[in-house]
Amino acid sequence: EVQLLESGGGFVQPGGSLRLSCVASGFSFSDYAMTWVRQAPGKGLQWVSTLRGRTPTTYSAESVKGRFTISRDNSKNTLYLQMNSLRVEDTAVYFCAKPYYGGKPSANWYFDLWGRGTLVSVSS
Amino acid sequence: SYVLAQPPSVSVAPGQTARITCGGDNIENKRVHWYLQKPGQAPVVVVHGDSDRPSGIPDRFSGSNSGNTATLTISRVEAGDEADYYCQVWDSSTDPGQVIFGGGTKVTVL
Repeated sequence: EVQLLESGGGFVQPGGSLRLSCVASGFSFSDYAMTWVRQAPGKGLQWVSTLRGRTPTTYSAESVKGRFTISRDNSKNTLYLQMNSLRVEDTAVYFCAKPYYGGKPSANWYFDLWGRGTLVSVSS
Repeated sequence: SYVLAQPPSVSVAPGQTARITCGGDNIENKRVHWYLQKPGQAPVVVVHGDSDRPSGIPDRFSGSNSGNTATLTISRVEAGDEADYYCQVWDSSTDPGQVIFGGGTKVTVL
């Protein structure tokens, strides 16, 4: 079955850290630039970070640069998001997403497979 | 950075047509993708590349893109179409590029 399964969310105090994981199955994981997208409670979708499949090329939103690090282990079909120096405004459901096309992002880039998300709550 | 503007809400009666706009500077030069999201669920793509539908998406969903506005049109609206709708583009004007989502439009079926 083609699916993405996130884990690792939870409750953390401001300034703390969490590592999210996303396990992929049913497709050739290393062929795709995988992405994290988040959604704050009652708010819209916000792109967080993308990592290409076979090269270390990353793309990240300004709001998380220097605090969040995206990585992957293609041997384990797993995508990670290391989140440090967490802020209250990082509270959100974090989705893992797969693009329809492999290779590098382009104008035709859209996401055809999403996980169910994992909730990160940052509060004192 | 590039901004996509969507109306916060659209209301439509069953059987009528809903039009959801997505505004952006010269958006016609980008490929626009549309997702619907129901409460507690992950987004699902309903239109990609301005006007293409993935398999399994009813032909009641259609898209267009011209000038500074892209539009998702839902014809013969059904109660099950009630959801949040988001437009998305890849913005290559910044290095190395980024994914941009619109703020979302809540479609209410009256």
